[in-house]
Amino acid sequence: DARVTQTPRHKVTEMGQEVTMRCQPILGHNTVFWYRQTMMQGLELLAYFRNRAPLDDSGMPKDRFSAEMPDATLATLKIQPSEPRDSAVYFCASGLVLGGLSEQYFGPGTRLTVT
Amino acid sequence: DAKTTQPPSMDCAEGRAANLPCNHSTISGNEYVYWYRQIHSQGPQYIIHGLKNNETNEMASLIITEDRKSSTLILPHATLRDTAVYYCIVRVDTGRRALTFGSGTRLQVQP
Repeated sequence: DARVTQTPRHKVTEMGQEVTMRCQPILGHNTVFWYRQTMMQGLELLAYFRNRAPLDDSGMPKDRFSAEMPDATLATLKIQPSEPRDSAVYFCASGLVLGGLSEQYFGPGTRLTVT
Repeated sequence: DAKTTQPPSMDCAEGRAANLPCNHSTISGNEYVYWYRQIHSQGPQYIIHGLKNNETNEMASLIITEDRKSSTLILPHATLRDTAVYYCIVRVDTGRRALTFGSGTRLQVQP
């Protein structure tokens, strides 16, 4: 069955290094979301795209985070430079929105540890 | 989006119905009630949603009170695999379509 895939599943890196996380949304879905989950903050939205265009990235620290959709099958979230406080699980979700409601389907997440 | 209130944790015996409550007293007429769950180390999973009528699918039932100020998610025969954090989310169907997660209810199904 169709699933959202994310790579890598785990990433350990040193402070200051660049981190790129990738997401393959479910084929045919037109909306992609990036969420971050930490023990302290819970699940929070970072950014989302509709038809590859960014609609809302207000939850994302602009100085170090960037999100893109180079094509309909790939979404990327980049952190440069990474900091220890970026350690979290990053989830990608996709959905199909055609003027009405849509469920969101989440990937398994990328667990990022910045030392 | 309307604020929701859920108990932080609940226990349920395996095979019994799990009834998870959610209060959303400030819900407005065009806001839907969504339920998601997150099993440990996995991404959140959609369960069910509704506007004003009760809804049922293969996973659960959603009961919304007539005044829509509260709802209950029912897992009819809970299994150990239903142990998870359950999130009740209220949101409109226009504009921003991202989900705002609260702290949810941690359901522990006991053998």
